[in-house]
Amino acid sequence: QVQLEQSGAEVKKPGASVKVSCKASGYTFTGYFMHWIRQAPGQGLEWMGWINPNSGAINYAQKFRGRVTMTRDTSITTAYMELSGLRSDDTALYYCARGTYYDLWGQGTLVTVSS
Amino acid sequence: QSALTQPASVSGSPGQSITISCTGTISDVGSYNLVSWYQQHPGKAPKLMIYEGTKRPSGVSNRFSGSKSGNTASLTISGLQADDEADYYCCSYAGSRTSWVFGGGTKVTVL
Repeated sequence: QVQLEQSGAEVKKPGASVKVSCKASGYTFTGYFMHWIRQAPGQGLEWMGWINPNSGAINYAQKFRGRVTMTRDTSITTAYMELSGLRSDDTALYYCARGTYYDLWGQGTLVTVSS
Repeated sequence: QSALTQPASVSGSPGQSITISCTGTISDVGSYNLVSWYQQHPGKAPKLMIYEGTKRPSGVSNRFSGSKSGNTASLTISGLQADDEADYYCCSYAGSRTSWVFGGGTKVTVL
């Protein structure tokens, strides 16, 4: 069926990097942009950026430029989001979401940053 | 502080109608017909309820409707039901530099 399956929870120390994967299935992976959105505990949604799986073009939110890298591997229909220089306030649930209107979401990946 | 302003909470009795506002600026809501709304139940991923301001995806109840006036978008839920109790977020395109912005979310309580 049509779904986005994300990688499992991660615990990282401050300053480290984390790479979250998002495997798409049931639809044409290269036909839709993939967005990354995060949600800190008890907080709202925050847009991080998108990647065009077809061309590899990317667009990052100003707040994350220099720390975030979005990539994709079309051979395995998987998108990736890597965040470096982790801080405690990066502790959040990270979602991938399909297309302009986020009509399909992954289940979320909890990233906990703690010393 | 979120780019789009939503009320923190809205409540209503079963069967009533409620409206959630989402106030932006001429740079986002006011310039583009690209406002979407999401419903999020506790512990679940958000679900698309409205896109392009007024359109409903297949499978979403027609009790949910969207509108826009100037820099403010609105989501109306009519015939309020217990399962409508959730957090609701608006989102708007804000141009190529800023791209996409969310509201802070509104908790809907069914009394």
